[in-house]
Amino acid sequence: AQSVTQLDSHVSVSEGTPVLLRCNYSSSYSPSLFWYVQHPNKGLQLLLKYTSAATLVKGINGFEAEFKKSETSFHLTKPSAHMSDAAEYFCVVSNTGFQKLVFGTGTRLLVSP
Amino acid sequence: EAGVVQSPRYKIIEKKQPVAFWCNPISGHNTLYWYRQNLGQGPELLIRYENEEAVDDSQLPKDRFSAERLKGVDSTLKIQPAELGDSAVYLCASSLERVHEQYFGPGTRLTVT
Repeated sequence: AQSVTQLDSHVSVSEGTPVLLRCNYSSSYSPSLFWYVQHPNKGLQLLLKYTSAATLVKGINGFEAEFKKSETSFHLTKPSAHMSDAAEYFCVVSNTGFQKLVFGTGTRLLVSP
Repeated sequence: EAGVVQSPRYKIIEKKQPVAFWCNPISGHNTLYWYRQNLGQGPELLIRYENEEAVDDSQLPKDRFSAERLKGVDSTLKIQPAELGDSAVYLCASSLERVHEQYFGPGTRLTVT
């Protein structure tokens, strides 16, 4: 069975400071991993995905994530937070073929001026 | 390009009443998904369609939930009768094929009183 654990339910940062959202995964085979963002009253949007190519994955809006097999982690980072980054972020694991996405419980990112 | 459309956006009903949600996927997308997102949780897959065929409905509570995707385009998810525990956001997503990125609609927020 596959699962993801998002280590923080809430993360608070100041605008202009780095963002780190942590995710550990569990999978019995090589996983595909994703980060989705959910703004209030809007649909989930794909930020980035890892599918066994480069371990450092760059996404939209300046976000990136690094796949670390030895640590079973896929943490999301951004060098400088913007007010518009405030949202709920979901780490997601899938089997090959993306037949089923398994979501984490989410991390709410709060950005203060 | 229009995204995934869902209606209604909000629905409040009394328990034991029926309710239906409608989804119009992105044009040309063969695969359609229904997810349920409980408060403070990540979405969980209820059912996946490939064209008209429901290929994964293992998580759909079949005693009260039903879904259809006539002509392989629009889809309807129904609950009858609704229970208090069905209060959640119901998300629809679509993808070109099952191996491609899923695009999510804004969801229908259901409150059962």
